[in-house]
Parts: sequence; C-alpha cells; structure tokens
Amino acid sequence: NAGVMQNPRHLVRRRGQEARLRCSPMKGHSHVYWYRQLPEEGLKFMVYLQKENIIDESGMPKERFSAEFPKEGPSILRIQQVVRGDSAAYFCASSPWRDGGEQFFGPGTRLTVL
Amino acid sequence: TQLLEQSPQFLSIQEGENLTVYCNSSSVFSSLQWYRQEPGEGPVLLVTVVTGGEVKKLKRLTFQFGDARKDSSLHITAAQPGDTGLYLCAGDSNYQLIWGAGTKLIIKP
Repeated sequence: NAGVMQNPRHLVRRRGQEARLRCSPMKGHSHVYWYRQLPEEGLKFMVYLQKENIIDESGMPKERFSAEFPKEGPSILRIQQVVRGDSAAYFCASSPWRDGGEQFFGPGTRLTVL
Repeated sequence: TQLLEQSPQFLSIQEGENLTVYCNSSSVFSSLQWYRQEPGEGPVLLVTVVTGGEVKKLKRLTFQFGDARKDSSLHITAAQPGDTGLYLCAGDSNYQLIWGAGTKLIIKP
C-alpha cells in the first residue's frame, strides 16, 4: 500500500509564474489536507478537501491560491503569479475519516520562487 | 483561537542524556499526536494519545497526555544521535489538527 505521494519534490518558479503541486492520497483515503511549512517552523493548515468538495479553506490566502480534489486524479494546489514569499515546503496529508485523528503525510514539495 | 505551545523550541544535548519536550494548550483536545520530522521529509506519526492521563511507551520514548487533555509531554531516555529531528505535537480539533511550532532536537555523539 503506497503512502501519500507528492510531486514534484522540488519546484522552481520565477516570480509571476504558476505553480501546480500534486498530491495522491493513500489508497482508500478520501480526505486530503494541505499544509505549508517555512524553515524551522511548524505546519500551517491551508485547506481541507474531500472528493470534489472544499470543506475548509480558512488557512489559504484568498488571492492567487486555489485547491481541488477531483473525482478522479490527484489533489492539486495551485498558486498563481507566485511571489518570493510563497517559497516554502508544501505538505499534503490524507486520512480515511473526517473527524480528526491520524493524518499521513507525503514527502512534500519544496517550492522556490526566484 | 486554539494554540499549542511547544517547549523548548530548540534542544541540543549529549548522547545518553534524558530530555523532556512539552506541549501545552488552554484548549481541550479529543486526542493529541506526536510526529517526528527529518530534514527534507514529511512528518511521521509517532503516537496518538486519547485518554486523559494516558501514558504510552515507544522503546525509549514515553508520551503522556495530561489529565485534563490540554497538555502532553514526550520524554526520551538515553538519547541517541538517531533521535535528532524536529518533534511536532498536534491536537485534534474536529477535522483539523492544531500544530505546535515544533522542538528541534540535536543529539551530539
């Protein structure tokens, strides 16, 4: 049973470009969470999705950021017109149930904006 | 706003010493999780504590959940260089995990 998969592992973008981060949850998991982590800091919640639904996006900036989890395929975190401040590690986690509990993390995507 | 405060933020000790990391909140959590994260990787779940007063042991690691389910501690006995990493606690609040800022632990040989 493969774990949570994220790609790419490293992504370099110039200011103004778009970044697309992908996350495939563990098999059987229908709940996906995206987090952002700056160096030497903890994780900051961004968004929680179920298949075809955004449940909570309270941690996600209203501008330039969007997320989806389609019926088929991976969850996508999209950042438009990236700025240097978007540089961070973005982690995806999945769980098989809604009510909190254990989340299983992918290896992360490290975004660098030049 | 629910917050989890971890202390210390940074700890560097010699191999063989004991240490304790704390995770405190004014909020009650239905469960609390401890993760360990190594550089360049995602957090890996170590343990989940659910019952107030619960103690769980994982080899040299001992995890305790406070009686009121507001705080937790992680105690490492005879630390080894392989214990080096970022230790994160996370409280379960409905579907969302509330995260501490982490304790960076370095064990020197």
